[in-house]
Amino acid sequence: NAGVTQTPKFRVLKTGQSMTLLCAQDMNHEYMYWYRQDPGMGLRLIHYSVGEGTTAKGEVPDGYNVSRLKKQNFLLGLESAAPSQTSVYFCASSPPGADTQYFGPGTRLTVL
Amino acid sequence: EDQVTQSPEALRLQEGESSSLNCSYTVSGLRGLFWYRQDPGKGPEFLFTLYSAGEEKEKERLKATLTKKESFLHITAPKPEDSATYLCAGVNAGNMLTFGGGTRLMVKP
Repeated sequence: NAGVTQTPKFRVLKTGQSMTLLCAQDMNHEYMYWYRQDPGMGLRLIHYSVGEGTTAKGEVPDGYNVSRLKKQNFLLGLESAAPSQTSVYFCASSPPGADTQYFGPGTRLTVL
Repeated sequence: EDQVTQSPEALRLQEGESSSLNCSYTVSGLRGLFWYRQDPGKGPEFLFTLYSAGEEKEKERLKATLTKKESFLHITAPKPEDSATYLCAGVNAGNMLTFGGGTRLMVKP
């Protein structure tokens, strides 16, 4: 039981490049979330999903897209990376109706 | 707009020196208040959920309490391994979490 896993762990991009971050969970959770964490800003919700095939915007969705084609996976895409997207990205999951979210280990992204 | 504020931003303690971390919140239709621990380079690890004012929960040297406006994380006789960043978050009626900025705790032996 690996819980929530994220790939890659680290990535450096140049401005304008694209990439996809993968989140996988093996707990059969319905809800999945993408956050970014910046110094002094706390964790901020980017997008979330309440089930396979559904996604919704969070607090800071601009510049990101997501897809939930399978229940266990939640993908975060950056189509044209900007330096302002340099951050640590965390994925989380939770069962429906439960408040506790379980977090992955994070992806550290640097955009030059 | 939901808001969660933690203080202090950083706290240095000697081993065995008890203290408290504060989490003030304004969350619409608060459904619960969470505490997480985050070690450097890792994701947040769930500690407690508090649902109503007056509720208390304990785990080893940690005790979390909740009032209508604040939550406190009390650390009794801390050890160096308690050093971490402690995050609190409020969940609103729409099941969305709002996190505070965290308190970085350093416990010196």
